[in-house]
Amino acid sequence: DTGVSQDPRHKITKRGQNVTFRCDPISEHNRLYWYRQTLGQGPEFLTYFQNEAQLEKSRLLSDRFSAERPKGSFSTLEIQRTEQGDSAMYLCASSLRAVKTGELFFGEGSRLTVL
Amino acid sequence: AQSVAQPEDQVNVAEGNPLTVKCTYSVSGNPYLFWYVQYPNRGLQFLLKYITGDNLVKGSYGFEAEFNKSQTSFHLKKPSALVSDSALYFCAVRPLDQTGANNLFFGTGTRLTVIP
Repeated sequence: DTGVSQDPRHKITKRGQNVTFRCDPISEHNRLYWYRQTLGQGPEFLTYFQNEAQLEKSRLLSDRFSAERPKGSFSTLEIQRTEQGDSAMYLCASSLRAVKTGELFFGEGSRLTVL
Repeated sequence: AQSVAQPEDQVNVAEGNPLTVKCTYSVSGNPYLFWYVQYPNRGLQFLLKYITGDNLVKGSYGFEAEFNKSQTSFHLKKPSALVSDSALYFCAVRPLDQTGANNLFFGTGTRLTVIP
């Protein structure tokens, strides 16, 4: 299966620690998205890359959050000084075309638990 | 501001009966509308979209949705439910203006349970 893969699938950390999530999109997809999903809510947009350029950032993406896509392939999402409120499922998606015309392909997510 | 509302957290339907999962939207101008499904331990999967044209949109797995501009709704429907349709369904909207051009705004989801 050559879908979107995310690693790790589950991360438990203590408050104040840094965590990093990795996303490998579908190989020919040049667009990559990060979303956050908390219990009982729908996914919330965090940021968007087209190739290596980060073109959109949500106000949800505080200065403790940073995302990169250095070579236009895989992406990382780092959360510094984690807080309990950061506990959520972090979803990565990729697409070949813009949102308005194409569908997003989501990974299974990385679940973060901050103790 | 753009948003979607899914008024029902849970929908139960008997196998073989028609199903409807409701979605209403609030957005300036004409929206792009989407339905996604999330099966247990699986990523979100695209079902269908409305961009323009025919108000009745057909998608994967026998699902369809009707865009109703006057009621600002985009309800998901299927004529005959299967047990395997049991999942979490999300409605999403992307407005036509350039604000948030590359993201989707998702509803809170509706859990569909098809009873054998």
